Amino acid sequence: DTAVSQTPKYLVTQMGNDKSIKCEQNLGHDTMYWYKQDSKKFLKIMFSYNNKELIINETVPNRFSPKSPDKAHLNLHINSLELGDSAVYFCASSQDWGGTEKLFFGSGTQLSVL
Amino acid sequence: KNEVEQSPQNLTAQEGEFITINCSYSVGISALHWLQQHPGGGIVSLFMLSSGKKKHGRLIATINIQEKHSSLHITASHPRDSAVYICAVKQGAQKLVFGQGTRLTINP
Repeated sequence: DTAVSQTPKYLVTQMGNDKSIKCEQNLGHDTMYWYKQDSKKFLKIMFSYNNKELIINETVPNRFSPKSPDKAHLNLHINSLELGDSAVYFCASSQDWGGTEKLFFGSGTQLSVL
Repeated sequence: KNEVEQSPQNLTAQEGEFITINCSYSVGISALHWLQQHPGGGIVSLFMLSSGKKKHGRLIATINIQEKHSSLHITASHPRDSAVYICAVKQGAQKLVFGQGTRLTINP
Protein backbone atom coordinates (compact mmCIF):
# COMPACT_ATOMS: atom_id res chain seq x y z
CA ASP A 1 0.00 0.00 0.00
CA THR A 2 2.00 2.95 -1.32
CA ALA A 3 2.16 5.92 1.04
CA VAL A 4 2.68 8.61 -1.61
CA SER A 5 1.72 7.64 -5.13
CA GLN A 6 2.12 9.73 -8.22
CA THR A 7 1.12 9.02 -11.80
CA PRO A 8 2.26 8.66 -14.43
CA LYS A 9 5.80 7.43 -13.85
CA TYR A 10 6.87 8.44 -17.34
CA LEU A 11 5.41 11.19 -19.49
CA VAL A 12 6.64 11.91 -23.01
CA THR A 13 4.95 14.74 -24.84
CA GLN A 14 5.40 17.41 -27.50
CA MET A 15 6.20 21.05 -26.90
CA GLY A 16 3.11 23.17 -26.46
CA ASN A 17 0.95 20.42 -24.99
CA ASP A 18 -0.81 20.58 -21.63
CA LYS A 19 -0.28 17.72 -19.16
CA SER A 20 -1.08 16.80 -15.58
CA ILE A 21 0.69 14.76 -12.93
CA LYS A 22 -1.38 13.37 -10.09
CA CYS A 23 -0.31 12.78 -6.50
CA GLU A 24 -2.10 11.14 -3.61
CA GLN A 25 -0.97 10.35 -0.07
CA ASN A 26 -2.67 7.98 2.35
CA LEU A 27 -0.64 8.96 5.40
CA GLY A 28 -3.10 11.51 6.75
CA HIS A 29 -0.48 14.25 6.35
CA ASP A 30 -1.46 17.90 6.27
CA THR A 31 1.28 19.13 3.93
CA MET A 32 2.15 18.18 0.38
CA TYR A 33 4.90 19.37 -1.95
CA TRP A 34 6.05 19.35 -5.52
CA TYR A 35 9.79 19.22 -6.19
CA LYS A 36 11.64 19.39 -9.50
CA GLN A 37 14.89 17.49 -10.04
CA ASP A 38 16.90 18.79 -12.96
CA SER A 39 19.42 16.98 -15.13
CA LYS A 40 22.17 17.69 -12.59
CA LYS A 41 20.06 15.96 -9.95
CA PHE A 42 19.43 19.15 -7.97
CA LEU A 43 16.11 19.09 -6.14
CA LYS A 44 14.19 22.36 -5.84
CA ILE A 45 10.91 23.10 -4.15
CA MET A 46 8.17 24.26 -6.49
CA PHE A 47 5.03 24.36 -4.36
CA SER A 48 3.84 23.46 -0.92
CA TYR A 49 0.26 23.12 0.27
CA ASN A 50 -0.94 22.83 3.83
CA ASN A 51 -4.52 21.66 4.27
CA LYS A 52 -5.34 22.64 0.68
CA GLU A 53 -3.85 26.10 1.14
CA LEU A 54 -0.84 27.27 -0.91
CA ILE A 55 2.09 27.95 1.41
CA ILE A 56 5.07 28.14 -0.92
CA ASN A 57 5.25 29.14 -4.58
CA GLU A 58 8.90 29.28 -5.55
CA THR A 59 9.12 31.55 -8.60
CA VAL A 60 7.67 28.87 -10.80
CA PRO A 61 6.30 30.01 -14.19
CA ASN A 62 2.55 30.45 -14.08
CA ARG A 63 2.27 27.71 -16.71
CA PHE A 64 2.54 25.42 -13.68
CA SER A 65 -0.64 25.31 -11.65
CA PRO A 66 -1.03 23.08 -8.61
CA LYS A 67 -4.47 21.94 -7.57
CA SER A 68 -5.34 20.48 -4.18
CA PRO A 69 -8.94 19.22 -4.12
CA ASP A 70 -8.40 17.85 -0.62
CA LYS A 71 -5.44 17.46 1.70
CA ALA A 72 -4.71 13.95 0.40
CA HIS A 73 -4.24 15.09 -3.20
CA LEU A 74 -1.96 17.60 -4.88
CA ASN A 75 -1.97 17.55 -8.66
CA LEU A 76 0.33 19.48 -10.95
CA HIS A 77 -0.97 20.85 -14.24
CA ILE A 78 1.48 22.22 -16.79
CA ASN A 79 0.33 24.34 -19.73
CA SER A 80 2.23 24.98 -22.96
CA LEU A 81 5.07 22.61 -22.17
CA GLU A 82 8.59 23.75 -23.06
CA LEU A 83 11.80 21.80 -23.62
CA GLY A 84 13.19 23.16 -20.35
CA ASP A 85 10.37 21.55 -18.41
CA SER A 86 11.97 18.15 -18.99
CA ALA A 87 12.93 16.87 -15.53
CA VAL A 88 11.85 14.45 -12.85
CA TYR A 89 9.01 15.78 -10.70
CA PHE A 90 8.58 14.44 -7.18
CA CYS A 91 5.56 14.75 -4.99
CA ALA A 92 6.09 14.51 -1.22
CA SER A 93 4.18 14.88 2.01
CA SER A 94 4.90 15.54 5.68
CA GLN A 95 2.84 15.62 8.85
CA ASP A 96 2.92 19.40 9.18
CA TRP A 97 4.20 22.47 7.37
CA GLY A 98 6.96 23.31 9.81
CA GLY A 99 9.51 21.38 7.79
CA THR A 100 10.73 19.58 10.88
CA GLU A 101 8.98 16.33 10.10
CA LYS A 102 10.27 13.58 7.86
CA LEU A 103 9.34 13.79 4.21
CA PHE A 104 7.73 10.94 2.31
CA PHE A 105 8.32 10.99 -1.42
CA GLY A 106 6.48 9.58 -4.37
CA SER A 107 8.45 7.57 -6.92
CA GLY A 108 8.80 10.49 -9.31
CA THR A 109 7.47 11.34 -12.77
CA GLN A 110 10.03 11.61 -15.53
CA LEU A 111 8.76 14.24 -17.94
CA SER A 112 10.34 14.42 -21.39
CA VAL A 113 9.28 17.26 -23.66
CA LEU A 114 10.22 16.72 -27.31
CA LYS B 1 28.07 29.11 -4.38
CA ASN B 2 25.26 26.89 -3.23
CA GLU B 3 23.95 27.50 0.27
CA VAL B 4 24.35 23.78 0.97
CA GLU B 5 27.59 22.09 0.00
CA GLN B 6 28.23 18.38 0.20
CA SER B 7 31.53 16.55 0.05
CA PRO B 8 32.68 14.47 -1.56
CA GLN B 9 30.57 14.63 -4.72
CA ASN B 10 31.50 11.06 -5.57
CA LEU B 11 32.76 8.34 -3.28
CA THR B 12 33.75 4.78 -4.15
CA ALA B 13 34.65 2.33 -1.40
CA GLN B 14 34.98 -1.37 -0.72
CA GLU B 15 32.38 -3.36 1.11
CA GLY B 16 32.87 -3.13 4.86
CA GLU B 17 34.48 0.30 4.89
CA PHE B 18 33.34 3.12 7.18
CA ILE B 19 31.79 5.91 5.10
CA THR B 20 31.49 9.60 5.94
CA ILE B 21 29.58 12.14 3.86
CA ASN B 22 29.73 15.79 4.85
CA CYS B 23 27.27 18.65 4.54
CA SER B 24 28.05 22.30 5.21
CA TYR B 25 25.59 25.15 5.04
CA SER B 26 25.97 28.89 5.13
CA VAL B 27 22.75 30.12 6.73
CA GLY B 28 20.91 29.61 9.98
CA ILE B 29 18.63 26.62 9.93
CA SER B 30 16.08 24.96 12.15
CA ALA B 31 16.42 21.42 10.82
CA LEU B 32 18.51 19.29 8.50
CA HIS B 33 17.40 16.29 6.48
CA TRP B 34 19.41 13.44 5.04
CA LEU B 35 17.80 11.71 2.05
CA GLN B 36 18.78 8.65 0.05
CA GLN B 37 18.02 8.40 -3.66
CA HIS B 38 18.24 4.88 -5.02
CA PRO B 39 19.60 4.10 -8.49
CA GLY B 40 15.99 3.54 -9.57
CA GLY B 41 15.20 7.16 -8.65
CA GLY B 42 13.09 6.75 -5.51
CA ILE B 43 13.86 9.07 -2.58
CA VAL B 44 13.74 7.97 1.04
CA SER B 45 14.08 10.20 4.07
CA LEU B 46 16.79 8.83 6.36
CA PHE B 47 16.99 11.39 9.15
CA MET B 48 15.67 14.72 10.25
CA LEU B 49 17.75 16.35 12.98
CA SER B 50 18.12 19.71 14.62
CA SER B 51 20.83 18.91 17.15
CA GLY B 52 23.12 16.16 18.33
CA LYS B 53 23.10 12.74 16.81
CA LYS B 54 20.68 10.12 15.50
CA LYS B 55 21.28 6.45 14.73
CA HIS B 56 19.30 3.98 12.68
CA GLY B 57 20.87 0.60 12.07
CA ARG B 58 24.24 1.14 10.42
CA LEU B 59 23.55 4.81 9.71
CA ILE B 60 24.50 7.65 12.02
CA ALA B 61 23.82 11.33 11.45
CA THR B 62 25.37 14.15 13.44
CA ILE B 63 24.93 17.89 13.35
CA ASN B 64 26.95 20.76 14.80
CA ILE B 65 24.78 23.87 14.70
CA GLN B 66 27.59 26.23 15.71
CA GLU B 67 29.86 24.99 12.94
CA LYS B 68 26.97 24.70 10.42
CA HIS B 69 28.01 21.17 9.57
CA SER B 70 26.46 17.73 9.48
CA SER B 71 27.88 14.29 8.72
CA LEU B 72 26.28 11.05 7.65
CA HIS B 73 28.21 7.92 8.57
CA ILE B 74 27.66 4.38 7.34
CA THR B 75 29.31 1.57 9.26
CA ALA B 76 30.11 -1.80 7.65
CA SER B 77 29.09 -0.51 4.23
CA HIS B 78 27.39 -2.86 1.78
CA PRO B 79 26.79 -2.69 -1.98
CA ARG B 80 23.09 -2.07 -1.29
CA ASP B 81 24.12 1.24 0.30
CA SER B 82 25.11 2.46 -3.17
CA ALA B 83 22.92 5.49 -3.81
CA VAL B 84 22.97 9.27 -3.93
CA TYR B 85 22.81 10.84 -0.48
CA ILE B 86 21.30 14.30 -0.30
CA CYS B 87 21.48 16.83 2.50
CA ALA B 88 18.70 19.42 2.80
CA VAL B 89 18.33 22.27 5.26
CA LYS B 90 15.20 24.01 6.40
CA GLN B 91 15.31 27.75 6.12
CA GLY B 92 12.58 30.14 7.06
CA ALA B 93 8.99 29.11 6.61
CA GLN B 94 9.16 25.55 5.45
CA LYS B 95 11.48 25.96 2.47
CA LEU B 96 14.05 23.20 2.09
CA VAL B 97 17.31 23.92 0.27
CA PHE B 98 19.10 20.88 -1.10
CA GLY B 99 22.74 20.01 -1.58
CA GLN B 100 23.95 18.62 -4.87
CA GLY B 101 24.14 15.09 -3.52
CA THR B 102 26.97 12.61 -2.97
CA ARG B 103 27.05 9.58 -5.22
CA LEU B 104 28.22 6.59 -3.18
CA THR B 105 29.33 3.34 -4.80
CA ILE B 106 30.20 0.36 -2.63
CA ASN B 107 32.05 -2.40 -4.46
CA PRO B 108 31.81 -6.01 -3.28
